[in-house]
Amino acid sequence: DAGITQSPRYKITETGRQVTLMCHQTWSHSYMFWYRQDLGHGLRLIYYSAAADITDKGEVPDGYVVSRSKTENFPLTLESATRSQTSVYFCASSELGGGRETQYFGPGTRLLVL
Amino acid sequence: QQQVKQSPQSLIVQKGGISIINCAYENTAFDYFPWYQQFPGKGPALLIAIRPDVSEKKEGRFTISFNKSAKQFSLHIMDSQPGDSATYFCAASKSGGYNKLIFGAGTRLAVHP
Repeated sequence: DAGITQSPRYKITETGRQVTLMCHQTWSHSYMFWYRQDLGHGLRLIYYSAAADITDKGEVPDGYVVSRSKTENFPLTLESATRSQTSVYFCASSELGGGRETQYFGPGTRLLVL
Repeated sequence: QQQVKQSPQSLIVQKGGISIINCAYENTAFDYFPWYQQFPGKGPALLIAIRPDVSEKKEGRFTISFNKSAKQFSLHIMDSQPGDSATYFCAASKSGGYNKLIFGAGTRLAVHP
C-alpha cells in the first residue's frame, strides 16, 4: 500500500537493550522526521533527514541514532533504552522541507521500556 | 522552552456546540500556523492551516482565527459532531529553507451526543 508505514506497532523492551523502529514511505518524499509524543508535551522532534545520507538533530536527540541510506527508509535506533524513552513514536515525511510543507504521519509505534 | 502554548488541555462539548481551542506563540518570525487532527491510534493529519496575511480561514465547519498583534490563533469547530472527537495540535513554523514545525501540547476534544 502507498503511504507511510511504521513497524513494529507495539514494542516492549527492557532497560539497556537496543531497539530499532522502522519507517518506510512510498512517496519518494525528500524529508523524513521522527517525533515522540508524550502527554503534556505534544510532538517533539527527535531527528530529521533532508535526503539520503543527510540527517540532523531535532529538539530531543539524546539517546537516539538515525540513518538514511535509502530515500524511502528512516530507521530510529535507541542504543540503550531507558524508561524515559517510553513513548509513542511517529515517523513523518514531507515532499520538501520548507516550513509550509504538509507533513504526513505514520500510524505510530508504542514503545514501553521496563 | 515551550514556544507554542495551547489551551485547554481537554475540552468537552455537546453535539451541535462550538469547540474553541487557543494557541499563543512567542517567535514573531513564525509565518505558518497549521492545525493537525489525531484520532486515537492514528498519526496526526493536517486539518487546516493559515498564514499571517489573513485574519481568518474557513474550511467547512473548521475556522482558524489569527491575531498577529496578540500572537494568538485559535481553531473553532462549528456544529461539533461526535466524529470530531480527537486530539488537536496547533503548530507554527517559519518559511524559507528547512524550518521545523513547533507543536503545541495538544487538546483532547470529546463531543458528547
